[in-house]
Amino acid sequence: QSVLTQPPSASGTPGQRVTISCSGSSSNIGSNTVSWYQQLPGTAPKLLIYSDNQRPSGVPDRFSGSKSGTSASLAISGLQSEDEADYYCAAWDDSLNGYVFGTGTKVTVL
Amino acid sequence: EVQLVESGGGLVQPGGSLRLSCAGSGFTFRTYWMSWVRQAPGKGLEWVAIIKQDGSEKYYVDSVKGRFTISRDNAKNSLYLQMNSLRAEDTAVYYCARERWSEYSSSWYRGYFDLWGRGTLVTVSS
Repeated sequence: QSVLTQPPSASGTPGQRVTISCSGSSSNIGSNTVSWYQQLPGTAPKLLIYSDNQRPSGVPDRFSGSKSGTSASLAISGLQSEDEADYYCAAWDDSLNGYVFGTGTKVTVL
Repeated sequence: EVQLVESGGGLVQPGGSLRLSCAGSGFTFRTYWMSWVRQAPGKGLEWVAIIKQDGSEKYYVDSVKGRFTISRDNAKNSLYLQMNSLRAEDTAVYYCARERWSEYSSSWYRGYFDLWGRGTLVTVSS
């Protein structure tokens, strides 16, 4: 069951900036860190952002994360064709005692 | 090479059982919390279960409580998911994932998944 809400789709032309929102509650985003994952077609998810706004080594700085209250955002600047993928946010939920994932956003490069 | 490799998926009838395995290599398996995450065909990611380093703590998503059991064997660098009373809605690709925690001001907070396997497909159908 998805407890974090994301828009189902987002799109942009090459070079544009795209932002994806992730809305949660006080028991998850409001009290724990947020991570973001990129899933290319037919592959396993890949960590993109952790601890709200940190990038693992190897992730381009075009990807950035932010958090405010019970919502988080992922921004992709300088959109490239290889960014076409599904993106998911996630956080630990203190009430459920488990992780919750976002509903997922499909990014299309026009 | 640091990696996770799942195995054990397949076709099973409703009400049947299946045991998934995940082999970790290239890192100190016993020092990490480990988790299972699944993805139904054409659907989003769903967290399933997680287990502490020594197996003393386990947590499950409500939909699998009482039916699935997560376990690990640190001597074999392996994670398992015993799935009983399987239902059609359990059909999914099951991923094994390594959990990491973050440190802020001398306190540790969970977390995120920094290493994923390629997944194994479980199909529940008659």
